[in-house]
This record gives sequence, structure tokens and C-alpha cells, in this order.
Amino acid sequence: GQNIDQPTEMTATEGAIVQINCTYQTSGFNGLFWYQQHAGEAPTFLSYNVLDGLEEKGRFSSFLSRSKGYSYLLLKELQMKDSASYLCAVKESNYQLIWGAGTKLIIKP
Amino acid sequence: GAGVSQSPSNKVTEKGKDVELRCDPISGHTALYWYRQRLGQGLEFLIYFQGNSAPDKSGLPSDRFSAERTGESVSTLTIQRTQQEDSAVYLCASSLIAGGQETQYFGPGTRLLVL
Repeated sequence: GQNIDQPTEMTATEGAIVQINCTYQTSGFNGLFWYQQHAGEAPTFLSYNVLDGLEEKGRFSSFLSRSKGYSYLLLKELQMKDSASYLCAVKESNYQLIWGAGTKLIIKP
Repeated sequence: GAGVSQSPSNKVTEKGKDVELRCDPISGHTALYWYRQRLGQGLEFLIYFQGNSAPDKSGLPSDRFSAERTGESVSTLTIQRTQQEDSAVYLCASSLIAGGQETQYFGPGTRLLVL
């Protein structure tokens, strides 16, 4: 069956680094997305991985291991505005995304 | 417009009434998705439109739900005889497939409350 697992909630300190993990089991794989969603707002695109390895984009990096069905989102130099939910989504077919329930990240001063 | 827009932003209705939600995708985006997101939960796929192809309706939870799209523009999601369990945020996203990476851009959502 299809399954996307992420921690429900994480807490980190401003200025620190946090890693949000995502494991998946899907019938197909055409890429993995990370989205950020602030409370009461729509998700916004952060990253896309289709090949194994690390993709770095400013303070955010995303890693993928297809053989392990595993990805992580790494956030560096955390800022208070990074408090949000982070959604992992796997593109199973040509278009359909399977979404995780999201990880709520709480940043403390 | 620059982004995906949805209307209304909020809708309160009585159980049993019909509601219609609207989505205006980004101009030129051929693909359009509807999702439902219940409080504290992930996105639940409802329906997908791509160009003039037959839509993928596999995510619609019951026959009370239907959606239409006119060409590659506006889409409407209709919920008939609403139930309290329909209360959720309904999100629309559009995308343009470029070089194999298809990024979905989301609208602000319609918050539906069924009393």
C-alpha cells in the first residue's frame, strides 16, 4: 500500500539546525517534494528530489535515498518564521502526489 | 493574476445545502488539482484535470462531490447536500510540467464549515 511517514511534531531552537525525516512506501516513484505550510495558509514549494543525493537551496537542503525510501529536509540557521508544518509528498505516477500528514516545527527563542 | 486564486475564502453553510467552490489557476497551467485538508491532517487528493483529457475523479469521497473545468481555466468544485464531515479546507493547485519536474502551486484555500 501507500504510506508516507513523518514525525508529527518537532521542536528546535532559533539559530540551530533541524532535520525532518520522511519515509515512504509507494507503488511508483517519480520524485519527492517538500512543502512548507504556515498555519492557515496554503502549502508553498520548497524542494524537489528525483535522484539520490543532496539538493541545497540556501538555508534549506533536501536529501533523497530511493533504495531506502527515505528523504530528509535540513533547515539551518533557524529563524522564528520557520515555525510551520513541513509536508513530504511523493509523486507516485505521472501526476498524482501522495502526501504525508506533515511535521509541525516549533522554533523557540 | 500572479497566483492561484480561490473563492470564497470562507464559507459557512447549513447541513443539507449545496456549495460551490471556485478556483482560478495560474494562466497557462494545464494541470489543476483539488485537495481536501482536515484540521491537523495532510492533503487528501480529490480530483485532477489535465488539458482536455478525462479528469481523474478517483479521490472524490462520494457522489455528492463533483467538479468541472472549462478548458484550461476556471474550475468549480460542487458539494451537494453538505454534511458536517465535509468541513475542511479545500485547496486548489495548478501546475505546468517543465522538464519533468511538475511543481504544484496552491491557492489560499476555501475554509468550509458545515453546521
